[in-house]
Amino acid sequence: AQSVTQLDSQVPVFEEAPVELRCNYSSSVSVYLFWYVQYPNQGLQLLLKYLSGSTLVKGINGFEAEFNKSQTSFHLRKPSVHISDTAEYFCAVNTGFQKLVFGTGTRLLVSP
Amino acid sequence: GAVVSQHPSWVICKSGTSVKIECRSLDFQATTMFWYRQFPKQSLMLMATSNEGSKATYEQGVEKDKFLINHASLTLSTLTVTSAHPEDSSFYICSAGTSGTNEQFFGPGTRLTVL
Repeated sequence: AQSVTQLDSQVPVFEEAPVELRCNYSSSVSVYLFWYVQYPNQGLQLLLKYLSGSTLVKGINGFEAEFNKSQTSFHLRKPSVHISDTAEYFCAVNTGFQKLVFGTGTRLLVSP
Repeated sequence: GAVVSQHPSWVICKSGTSVKIECRSLDFQATTMFWYRQFPKQSLMLMATSNEGSKATYEQGVEKDKFLINHASLTLSTLTVTSAHPEDSSFYICSAGTSGTNEQFFGPGTRLTVL
């Protein structure tokens, strides 16, 4: 069975600083990987996804992630964050049957 | 494209009553819909998967008689919380997917508060 680990429950950062949110997964088969963002009292919005092809994936709002098969990681990065990026970020994996397994989430707190 | 709506966005009900939450795919046909539950400051937990025209598949530990799921059409799924109790208070989120894709599109969620 697949699982997702987000080691950082909370990441505080100053505005305009770079940020990396870590995600590691475990699966015995090929995976599809996703990052979602959730603002308070809202549903999930897809930031980016890796299905195949280039391991560097660019998403919305200036975010990008790199799929690293040898390290079973899919870390999310942004070179310069804004106050508006403050939200909960979820990494998720599926193995092609649409069923998603989510990590526990990382709260990104951007301060001025 | 790929918009999913939920109704209501929030609901308050008395203990013992039943509450129905609707999930609609507005601009695509959803062969599969998923229902999640999210407690404060926690991740999403999959409750069940429903395919149009067939019975839902519930995750382990989810009471199928308490959380009734109906997926009557390719654009509508409903979740009914029967005989709700305060411990059922939560944020319920649905998502929809189409066959042949690996992506789910999420609704905005429904906040249920049971008094």
